[in-house]
Amino acid sequence: SYVLTQPPSVSVAPGKTARITCGGNNIGSKSVHWYQQKPGQAPVLVIYYDSDRPSGIPERFSGSNSGNTATLTISRVEAGDEADYYCQVWDSSSDHQGVFGGGTKLTVL
Amino acid sequence: QVTLRESGPALVKPTQTLTLTCTFSGFSLSTSGMCVSWVRQPPGKALEWLALIDWDDDKYYSTSLKTRLTISKDTSKNQVVLTMTNMDPVDTATYYCARIRHGGSCYSGWFDPWGQGTLVTVSS
Repeated sequence: SYVLTQPPSVSVAPGKTARITCGGNNIGSKSVHWYQQKPGQAPVLVIYYDSDRPSGIPERFSGSNSGNTATLTISRVEAGDEADYYCQVWDSSSDHQGVFGGGTKLTVL
Repeated sequence: QVTLRESGPALVKPTQTLTLTCTFSGFSLSTSGMCVSWVRQPPGKALEWLALIDWDDDKYYSTSLKTRLTISKDTSKNQVVLTMTNMDPVDTATYYCARIRHGGSCYSGWFDPWGQGTLVTVSS
């Protein structure tokens, strides 16, 4: 089965840039989607198709995907960005399987 | 505006069968290209994909849970139902349903929006 690996935690000071990685075998050949989840809330889409941003998501959120690593970048981090972030792909190698990363807790110092 | 809402029992006993209903509005599962999925999240843990159903009634299940899951749709009621048999305490989780949006295939798409989730506790 396909595995997505995320760092458990990332810490960043306000105003700085946070980078959250999502590792997978040749993930660059897949479409990666990112979700933000705050405590007690449902996940919210922040990036789709590697780097597209839904309406209502600040331009500070961006994404990239190449080789074995996809990255969610949050520029000019704010206190309100503190949340868990999950990457997601589909593994259709043998059957269609949704796959989530283990999640990364972003802490704003 | 697309909305989804999960409903079902908050508490089930071990070995029982769980039945969850996702009631949605703002789209129809009879429209070509539409798909709905279920995802769960144990307390303090990561998201786990469970199942998907599309407008054509194609169904896909998590490999690890395939033998226990059944997903179905009632397009007249705008509902998707998930059943999970032989519930165990490790199945305690918040269960979410979500619409899948995509640019060509459900199986490259993203979950948006999500329902609020429903917490299911498995305990005797």
